[in-house]
Amino acid sequence: DGGITQSPKYLFRKEGQNVTLSCEQNLNHDAMYWYRQDPGQGLRLIYYSQIVNDFQKGDIAEGYSVSREKKESFPLTVTSAQKNPTAFYLCATQTGVTEAFFGQGTRLTVV
Amino acid sequence: AQSVAQPEDQVNVAEGNPLTVKCTYSVSGNPYLFWYVQYPNRGLQFLLKYITGDNLVKGSYGFEAEFNKSQTSFHLKKPSALVSDSALYFCAVRDGDSGGYQKVTFGTGTKLQVIP
Repeated sequence: DGGITQSPKYLFRKEGQNVTLSCEQNLNHDAMYWYRQDPGQGLRLIYYSQIVNDFQKGDIAEGYSVSREKKESFPLTVTSAQKNPTAFYLCATQTGVTEAFFGQGTRLTVV
Repeated sequence: AQSVAQPEDQVNVAEGNPLTVKCTYSVSGNPYLFWYVQYPNRGLQFLLKYITGDNLVKGSYGFEAEFNKSQTSFHLKKPSALVSDSALYFCAVRDGDSGGYQKVTFGTGTKLQVIP
């Protein structure tokens, strides 16, 4: 079953805690992205990676970190420095001029 | 800087009637344009894209969109709406002339409500 797998589907974070969201793909796509979705604001780019061992900040990278040690994996860590992390997080992949392919998302809530 | 505008937060249409979801864009180079649909608590699903060629693009589930360069628009249309079309729709743009990384900019989304 090809595609993008995000886990967990729901995640709860306590104040001051770091949490890591998983994104795995078997589409063999080079580019991977993390977006944050808030109601009425569309999708905002957090980080992106075009190749293994390289990644770039997006528009709202503060309080987040990523790694790209394998082509298939692009985990996102939400650190305690992110003051308002409650949101829906989407991972996506892309190759060439094609459309982006999205995972099913992780809903993160601060408790 | 590139941008996408979806001027309507919500569109209501009766089942069986034609629907239109509006999108206008701004980009310095050749626009690559996309429409996606999102159901509650799910990821985005691709509907259709314009890269080059015919201005009328046909996509999944009976949707189509018309690229209008002079009006910088890419409106999404369907001749006959279904209740199951009710969802959140996003328009997106990339700069096709930009070398290397091509940033994708998404609109803020339009909620489509099809009324039985």
